[in-house]
Amino acid sequence: GQQVMQIPQYQHVQEGEDFTTYCNSSTTLSNIQWYKQRPGGHPVFLIQLVKSGEVKKQKRLTFQFGEAKKNSSLHITATQTTDVGTYFCAGKGNKLVFGAGTILRVKS
Amino acid sequence: NAGVMQNPRHLVRRRGQEARLRCSPMKGHSHVYWYRQLPEEGLKFMVYLQKENIIDESGMPKERFSAEFPKEGPSILRIQQVVRGDSAAYFCASSPPGRTVDGGYTFGSGTRLTVV
Repeated sequence: GQQVMQIPQYQHVQEGEDFTTYCNSSTTLSNIQWYKQRPGGHPVFLIQLVKSGEVKKQKRLTFQFGEAKKNSSLHITATQTTDVGTYFCAGKGNKLVFGAGTILRVKS
Repeated sequence: NAGVMQNPRHLVRRRGQEARLRCSPMKGHSHVYWYRQLPEEGLKFMVYLQKENIIDESGMPKERFSAEFPKEGPSILRIQQVVRGDSAAYFCASSPPGRTVDGGYTFGSGTRLTVV
């Protein structure tokens, strides 16, 4: 079945540093979604990417979908303490298949 | 427009008891998904339901677990004869029928099940 792998598992950064998490799928994806989960909270939808090579931005967050539609990345510029949480990618078929997530810790 | 409502928020059960988790989808949403999350792990798909139908239960353990989404009322995830390994956060998500502009799922706040 479809598998979605995500790296790194953890990332500790100093406030103001950049952060990137990478997602790879074992199969070609029709689209990919990104979610953020704050500690003790629930996943919150951030964005969906559909087109090959697509790049979308949300303020300091940049999302990319690979040309082959098998990989994706989320880049955060100049992290802030409010960025703390776990970031998940998810491949979508008739259901979402989530990666294991990247836990981001930001030191102020 | 209320979001996805899950209750209870926290549930403690002794080994061997039954756990019933409830999920009311957003208004207008007819698709419900249940996910399980162990501490510091990803979300594992369990089951996908539409009203009165189980569409995909490939992630459900074959024994002790069942789910329903009746014509009236919330979706229920039922775990019989709970064991310590069932301790986890159980999240419900909903989506509307058909394609949506952004495609994202709306998640409830989850039920944290602790088996003692």
